[in-house]
Amino acid sequence: GAVVSQHPSRVICKSGTSVKIECRSLDFQATTMFWYRQFPKQSLMLMATSNEGSKATYEQGVEKDKFLINHASLTLSTLTVTSAHPEDSSFYICSARVAGGGETQYFGPGTRLLVL
Amino acid sequence: GENVEQHPSTLSVQEGDSAVIKCTYSDSASNYFPWYKQELGKRPQLIIDIRSNVGEKKDQRIAVTLNKTAKHFSLHITETQPEDSAVYFCAAMDEKTSYDKVIFGPGTSLSVIP
Repeated sequence: GAVVSQHPSRVICKSGTSVKIECRSLDFQATTMFWYRQFPKQSLMLMATSNEGSKATYEQGVEKDKFLINHASLTLSTLTVTSAHPEDSSFYICSARVAGGGETQYFGPGTRLLVL
Repeated sequence: GENVEQHPSTLSVQEGDSAVIKCTYSDSASNYFPWYKQELGKRPQLIIDIRSNVGEKKDQRIAVTLNKTAKHFSLHITETQPEDSAVYFCAAMDEKTSYDKVIFGPGTSLSVIP
């Protein structure tokens, strides 16, 4: 149980285009999902907390107009990287917490974004 | 907010030896401390976690100890095997926010030499 999927697994796009990444909890409901970014050989840096039915909470230094988050249902959160640039190339990972199920976070497999 | 430090950044051990990774945290209100293992290009996998109401927890070859007074916690892996080679992250839950976000340490790259 507690499986989280992400789509796509990898994406290559041209500079200036937008990319949408989906995060789904497959077998549980998640009122809260988290979006992380991980550069090579670095740790997971929390970008924002996504809450179903309300606005996302962004970490300091993360541009909310550039990284649009939508958590429209209890099983789906999306991250849209708008006007992507090469420096946005990274590994984006989401995680979800089971509604009413404690502190454990379940991670998606990640999306590798390459902006040319 | 919470700040988590982790040492060492890299660790090499011979197969069968023990490995110890140490972390410190800054927020005395944190009370949940998970450890994750991440293989190259894969998602982080929870390997063990501990809450502040206990000082030690063990699961087969893995154990975690917590010293709330000193604000540090450690991961112990005994009888290491080559498949233990990965990056390990400690983390602490920041309870100053309403969403209980988890803050990760910088990671330790563990290599187990056959």
